[in-house]
Amino acid sequence: GDSVTQMEGPVTLSEEAFLTINCTYTATGYPSLFWYVQYPGEGLQLLLKATKADDKGSNKGFEATYRKETTSFHLEKGSVQVSDSAVYFCALSDQWRGSTLGRLYFGRGTQLTVWP
Amino acid sequence: EAQVTQNPRYLITVTGKKLTVTCSQNMNHEYMSWYRQDPGLGLRQIYYSMNVEVTDKGDVPEGYKVSRKEKRNFPLILESPSPNQTSLYFCASSPPGQGAFEQFFGPGTRLTVL
Repeated sequence: GDSVTQMEGPVTLSEEAFLTINCTYTATGYPSLFWYVQYPGEGLQLLLKATKADDKGSNKGFEATYRKETTSFHLEKGSVQVSDSAVYFCALSDQWRGSTLGRLYFGRGTQLTVWP
Repeated sequence: EAQVTQNPRYLITVTGKKLTVTCSQNMNHEYMSWYRQDPGLGLRQIYYSMNVEVTDKGDVPEGYKVSRKEKRNFPLILESPSPNQTSLYFCASSPPGQGAFEQFFGPGTRLTVL
């Protein structure tokens, strides 16, 4: 079945450090891939997405590239800030003949803490 | 303001006492879904609805019921709650034609079943 595996946390970084959170996926169809972020006490919100191979999603300085050959969608940011402290979730939504199947599969989440 | 609202935000109840968690969205979204979030397990989908009167099971539907009688509302019903349903619950919705893409999440309902 479809699934997402992301790196275990927690991740602790100093401000302005480089961030990578690894995400790999397993899917039978042609998935779209997402990163969602959850700030303390809030619901999830979409950070970025990519809908086909080699697409790069980007937002707020974060980037992720859809790599079909390695079934990966790693999240990166060149210089993290304290305000980036949150839980990050990788997710996939499978497709069949261009339409979604109504399911969104999440990874277990990675807690990021950035110190000043 | 475009949003997904959930009520209540916090609930403590006892085993076997039926409860309903309401979810409402004001964005005319067709797709709505319920998730539970547990430490170390991430988010798991309980039920989803592609449109009015159309619902389907997610990964963990046991012990839950849903209904979708109108587009804006998607209540989650626990007929006989048990302690293993203690969790943080999120409702989400998605724009027309998007299916499970780009979901907008509510603020969450923290449920404790004693």
